[in-house]
Amino acid sequence: QVQLVQSGAEVKKPGASVKVSCKASGYTFTGYYMHWVRQAPGQGLEWMGRINPNSGGTNYAQKFQGRVTMTRDTSISTAYMELSRLRSDDTAVYYCARVTPGRWYDYWGQGTLVTVSS
Amino acid sequence: DIQLTQSPSFLSASVGDRVTITCRASQGISSYLAWYQQKPGKAPKLLIYAASTLQSGVPSRFSGSGSGTEFTLTISSLQPEDFATYYCQQLNSYPLFTFGPGTKVDIK
Repeated sequence: QVQLVQSGAEVKKPGASVKVSCKASGYTFTGYYMHWVRQAPGQGLEWMGRINPNSGGTNYAQKFQGRVTMTRDTSISTAYMELSRLRSDDTAVYYCARVTPGRWYDYWGQGTLVTVSS
Repeated sequence: DIQLTQSPSFLSASVGDRVTITCRASQGISSYLAWYQQKPGKAPKLLIYAASTLQSGVPSRFSGSGSGTEFTLTISSLQPEDFATYYCQQLNSYPLFTFGPGTKVDIK
């Protein structure tokens, strides 16, 4: 069965970086784009960007350009999202989500809480 | 960028009620719309894709309709496990797939 398992919660200081992993299993990792979405406490869902696990090609939301880097390691079927120069308003749950050819998100990771606090 | 609005933002309903949530897009998106359900502390769950296609395993009391700029999610008979927040997502402007602001369905 398809599973996306994310790394554990993180606490970071302002200005630091965080790297969240998303390990895929149960399907061919390189066959589906992976998107990253975040959700601040009590807020809605915000699209951050996507990676093509086959080519490594990425697209990022303009809001995060210059601060976000999405990578993958096909040998271990894992996608990564690194966010730098963290601010308090980056405190959120970060999700990875598998995207079908039809574009909808059929499987999600369990979420990773990143807390940015001095 | 395509913007989505949802109405209402909050609704209070009873078990057995018929519930309808509306999602409007700032420009036409054909049928490139999905609906998700999210419960507290959990990841969103896909309910409907391509505006009206029920995801496998989702109860048939959920249905979706619409195209262009106006879409609806209907729950024909609300069950206790349906109390959650519902989000629409447009899938037209690849790869920026914006979400609506959400509709929280609460117990009356």
